[in-house]
Amino acid sequence: EEQLVESGGDLVQPGGSLRISCAASGFSFSRYGMNWVRQAPGKGLEWVSTVTGPGSSTYYADSVKGRFTVSRDNSNNTLYLQMNSLRAEDTAVYYCAKHFYDSSAYRYAFDIWGQGTMVTVSS
Amino acid sequence: QSALTQPASVSGSPGQSITISCTGTSSDVGSYNLVSWYQQHPGKAPKLMIYEDSKRPSGVSNRFSGSKSGNTASLTISGLQAEDEADYYCCSYARSSAPYVFGSGTRVTV
Repeated sequence: EEQLVESGGDLVQPGGSLRISCAASGFSFSRYGMNWVRQAPGKGLEWVSTVTGPGSSTYYADSVKGRFTVSRDNSNNTLYLQMNSLRAEDTAVYYCAKHFYDSSAYRYAFDIWGQGTMVTVSS
Repeated sequence: QSALTQPASVSGSPGQSITISCTGTSSDVGSYNLVSWYQQHPGKAPKLMIYEDSKRPSGVSNRFSGSKSGNTASLTISGLQAEDEADYYCCSYARSSAPYVFGSGTRVTV
């Protein structure tokens, strides 16, 4: 069974840093692009970042560019999000999500999601 | 990166059909056939329901269908059931440097 499990969410002070993780199992992790999507309390989904399968290309929402860094360890099937200079507006549940492939082609959608990890930025 | 526009809420009775709209721009929804739709029950992770505007992943009920006209995509749920009560989000490919934008979300009440 394909599965994603996030961890590392915590309470952090404004201006602080945090790294969250996403452990993958049940699929060939290195073959798939991976994403972070967040959801502030009571709000909608917001795409945050994408990293390609090999990890050679990364993409960021304007709201986090320059502060967040996505990376992956394909030998350990783990996705990371390093978050620096955290702000109150970064408070959210952070989901990792896998790129959806159908007939061996990427379909620009996300088919497997984790349960999320809560990041709270507050003094 | 402005969120795509969805109605805040849509309601219907069991057995009825409802349609949720998702309005973007010529830079996202209108430029690509790459709108996806997600269902999210309270406290749960989102679930992929539609991809590439109108295609259903394996295992998704055929009561769910997608379409698009110009800068507006739509999700139709036919034969509405109690279990369809959830939040629904559209998502579109936008541009290569920041490739995805989600909609504002729609609460469906049955």
